[in-house]
Parts: sequence; structure tokens; C-alpha cells
Amino acid sequence: AQSVTQPDIHITVSEGASLELRCNYSYGATPYLFWYVQSPGQGLQLLLKYFSGDTLVQGIKGFEAEFKRSQSSFNLRKPSVHWSDAAEYFCAVGTKGDTDKLIFGTGTRLQVFP
Amino acid sequence: GAGVSQSPSNKVTEKGKDVELRCDPISGHTALYWYRQRLGQGLEFLIYFQGNSAPDKSGLPSDRFSAERTGESVSTLTIQRTQQEDSAVYLCASSLAAGGNQPQHFGDGTRLSIL
Repeated sequence: AQSVTQPDIHITVSEGASLELRCNYSYGATPYLFWYVQSPGQGLQLLLKYFSGDTLVQGIKGFEAEFKRSQSSFNLRKPSVHWSDAAEYFCAVGTKGDTDKLIFGTGTRLQVFP
Repeated sequence: GAGVSQSPSNKVTEKGKDVELRCDPISGHTALYWYRQRLGQGLEFLIYFQGNSAPDKSGLPSDRFSAERTGESVSTLTIQRTQQEDSAVYLCASSLAAGGNQPQHFGDGTRLSIL
């Protein structure tokens, strides 16, 4: 069965530093891949998605993610973090035909220091 | 409406009481999902509806949990005889259609606290 792993539970960075959040998936084919962000007390907001084509995808708020088939990864990056980026980030996998559900990772909490 | 709307935003109730949570999806979205998010944890799938098809209830944790949806409109999640372990944020999401390639749009959730 498909699964999603976010190995980092909590990450702390300084404002202005670069950021990379890791996401690995397990699935027999290329899945649909998503990154969501959850600010405190709110629901999840879609940052970006990958279906096919160019493996580097751009999202909102200056985020990007790169799909690497050989590593079964879809890591989220941002070159310069802002204090407002402090939130919980979830990677999710959607599959082709097996199920209509998205499988979510357990999340990475990002803390930003000034 | 512009987004997914959930009510109430907060609910505090005593153990053993029944609660009903409501979700208004984005107009035109045929798929609707319910998730549970315990404190500091990820999303736990509960149930999803797609149009008039039979719902996928595979994530419901016990028979105390049930959900309904009339057509492609409002959904209600009901928890009977609540237990303290039911305390969590319950998130609703909708998407234009069901499918692994459909981005889900989330409401802000209902924070349920069982005393």
C-alpha cells in the first residue's frame, strides 16, 4: 500500500535562511504529489502539486518542490524563509486508480527564529 | 461560498454526549472528505463521499462515528457517546471530483474537546 514519510518532525531555521523539508513516498508507480501548509488554528492550504512533466514545480508563497523518481522523494524548498512561514507542512500522495483518497504524511513543524 | 465552511469552530461537551459537526463544501465540488487531527499529529482519514455513490467509510474508528451527506451539499459528522479520546480537530475538505489527482480544499476545522 502507498505511504508517505516525513522524517523531520520539527525543524528550526533562522529568518532569511534556506529551507528544505523532506518527503518520501512508497508507491509502485509515479503518484500525484502535494504539499500543504497548516497555520495554527486553520485548515490546510495547498502550496503546490506535481502530476507529470517538469520535475521542479513552483508553488505559492515562494515555495518549490522537486520530484526525484530515483529517490522516491518530493522535497519542499524555499530559498529564504520568512517569519510568516512558521507552520505545519504536510506532504500528501494521491494514486492512480487505487483509491480516491490522499495519503498524508505526519507533518513537519517549522519554527522560524528572527 | 468562497471556501469550505465548518461549524461550530469549537465544541466543548461532556463525555457520553452526542455531537454533530457540519461541513459546507465549495459549491460544485462533488467529493467531500472528513479527517481527524489529534493534537500534534497528522491527518487521519475518516470517510469520504463522491456524488451519489456509497461513501467510503473505511476510516471510521468505531460505530459511534457516522456521517451523512445529501447529494452534493452539506455533510454532518456525528459522534455518539463521546469519549475523551475523541478530542481532536475534525477537518472537512472538498474537491471538484474524487481522484488521486484532485487537490482538496480544507475548512478551518471544528475543535472538539470532551471533558
